[in-house]
Amino acid sequence: TQLLEQSPQFLSIQEGENLTVYCNSSSVFSSLQWYRQEPGEGPVLLVTVVTGGEVKKLKRLTFQFGDARKDSSLHITAAQPGDTGLYLCAGDIGTSGSRLTFGEGTQLTVNP
Amino acid sequence: EPEVTQTPSHQVTQMGQEVILRCVPISNHLYFYWYRQILGQKVEFLVSFYNNEISEKSEIFDDQFSVERPDGSNFTLKIRSTKLEDSAMYFCASTRGFGYTFGSGTRLTVV
Repeated sequence: TQLLEQSPQFLSIQEGENLTVYCNSSSVFSSLQWYRQEPGEGPVLLVTVVTGGEVKKLKRLTFQFGDARKDSSLHITAAQPGDTGLYLCAGDIGTSGSRLTFGEGTQLTVNP
Repeated sequence: EPEVTQTPSHQVTQMGQEVILRCVPISNHLYFYWYRQILGQKVEFLVSFYNNEISEKSEIFDDQFSVERPDGSNFTLKIRSTKLEDSAMYFCASTRGFGYTFGSGTRLTVV
């Protein structure tokens, strides 16, 4: 069974601060995806990383896939209240279309 | 932006009743999934469907569960005899390969 551990589970910061969320596993993943989920809604895909060491940027969000493809991080620069939400990492170990294993999620609150 | 559409958004049912949750995946996607999320817990995989058959299922997906793609657009999850512990958000998702699109979910409450 593949497990993804996300940390921290909860994060409350002030507007303008930087933060990093971590996603770790002992398993190797063929891809790692980051989602954002609002209450009562489905997860919305932010990014997919597939190559070890890959770094992707989405405005103030930077996603990194570990060299060994077992871990990933999400870094947010100058957080804004609009960044508040649940961030989920999810990995798949097989070929395209295989199941996703989700982490527990990080609930981020950015206070104005 | 193409969407995955799920109906109903809420369903309340009595224990032991059958429910059918419906999904319309994105039309050119090839893989279809059902996931569920019990309140306060992580999103869990139930089943994947490819080329008109189940490609993988989890230990949660027992004989009470079934999936169908009755036509070219709909994808359904049936729970034959619901239990209290089936209460959860059920998400349909689809993909062409990497990166899923999830629906907004059906909140199922079994009373």
